[in-house]
Amino acid sequence: NAGVTQTPKFRVLKTGQSMTLLCAQDMNHEYMYWYRQDPGMGLRLIHYSVGEGTTAKGEVPDGYNVSRLKKQNFLLGLESAAPSQTSVYFCASRDALGGGGPDTQYFGPGTRLTVL
Amino acid sequence: AQSVTQLGSHVSVSEGALVLLRCNYSSSVPPYLFWYVQYPNQGLQLLLKYTSAATLVKGINGFEAEFKKSETSFHLTKPSAHMSDAAEYFCAVSAASGGGADGLTFGKGTHLIIQP
Repeated sequence: NAGVTQTPKFRVLKTGQSMTLLCAQDMNHEYMYWYRQDPGMGLRLIHYSVGEGTTAKGEVPDGYNVSRLKKQNFLLGLESAAPSQTSVYFCASRDALGGGGPDTQYFGPGTRLTVL
Repeated sequence: AQSVTQLGSHVSVSEGALVLLRCNYSSSVPPYLFWYVQYPNQGLQLLLKYTSAATLVKGINGFEAEFKKSETSFHLTKPSAHMSDAAEYFCAVSAASGGGADGLTFGKGTHLIIQP
């Protein structure tokens, strides 16, 4: 049971290049999330998904696209990278809401992205 | 809409001293509240969560937090700091009535420094 994994761990891009970050979870969770973490800003939600084939915008969605073709995978794409997208990206997943309230979000180890 | 304010971006305490990390929230609906810890170059790990079952919540590693509705606070405490507690701590809020599917809103984080 690996939990939440992210690929790659590190990446350096040039302005205008594209890339896809992969998040995979083996806990059969319905909900998945992408956050970005910047110094002094905490974590901010980029996009999220409440099930296979569904996605929704979070707080800071501009410049990113996502896809959830399989329940266990959530992809984050940057079509044309900009220096402002230099950040650490975290994926998280959790089970659907039960009677006791929102369950714990489990986080991946992060992807450190630098855009030059 | 929800928001979280963490007072103090850096908190320094001596080993063995009381740890107090402050968190105030704003929410238009009854909130669910979380404290996460992040060790250097790692993802986030749940310390504890409040989901309306009990106002005093005990978590891992000897941490606890008390939900005070009148003060809109959810401060994190630990009676005796250990060197291994040095990390970044995040308070987060989720809107309970919406099921929390739309992710967590995080504070900006507090860096806890333990002095020997």
